[in-house]
Amino acid sequence: QVQLQQSGPGLLKPSQTLSLTCAISGDSVSRSSDAWNWIRQSPSRGLEWLGRTYYRSRWYNDYAPSLRGRITINADTSKNQFSLQLNSVTPEDTAVYYCTGGSAMNCWGQGTLVTVSS
Amino acid sequence: DIVMTQSPDSLAVSLGERATINCKSSQSVFYSSNNKNSLAWYQQKSGQPPKLLIYSASTRESGVPDRFSGSGSGTDFTLTVSSLQAEDVAVYYCQQYYDTPLTFGGGTKVEI
Repeated sequence: QVQLQQSGPGLLKPSQTLSLTCAISGDSVSRSSDAWNWIRQSPSRGLEWLGRTYYRSRWYNDYAPSLRGRITINADTSKNQFSLQLNSVTPEDTAVYYCTGGSAMNCWGQGTLVTVSS
Repeated sequence: DIVMTQSPDSLAVSLGERATINCKSSQSVFYSSNNKNSLAWYQQKSGQPPKLLIYSASTRESGVPDRFSGSGSGTDFTLTVSSLQAEDVAVYYCQQYYDTPLTFGGGTKVEI
């Protein structure tokens, strides 16, 4: 059974960088069968896919066009985890952030409420 | 982007009755290469992350009760709960994984 454990700060000031990590147990971050995603959820935006990373002989990333330029997703094979960085956050980035596995997402982290406020 | 539109926004169903939720995609999510629709359904209970119920439009995830079923193809899909139980009170979402950006419907709140 795959489990995802998220970690990272929940309170940021505008212009700071959001950094979250998702540790995987029960599977490998470099599996070739599917991808690892970051999702966020807010009352105003609903469920929003932010991006994904996956391994097919080399690492690939896809990002939501609305975030391109601010977002980076990386995998760390030595720690079997993947991470999200979102630069220059604003209050509009306030949301619950989830890491997930699969294109049909059959495993989810516990969620991290990230609040951006001065 | 593929826009996912769910209806209704909410519905109230009596215990033991059928609940039907619709999802329409702005373009087809059918992959002719594998003959499958790239459409998933999720259930989200209050304070919890979403849980995958159905993938490939009609395949139940392991452990999901058989009162949940998915149907449809191309652009029009349906999630049916054949006999609603108290524990099925939740918000239900559809999601396409045919193309990036992956996109979700706005959700349907199911109440007793």
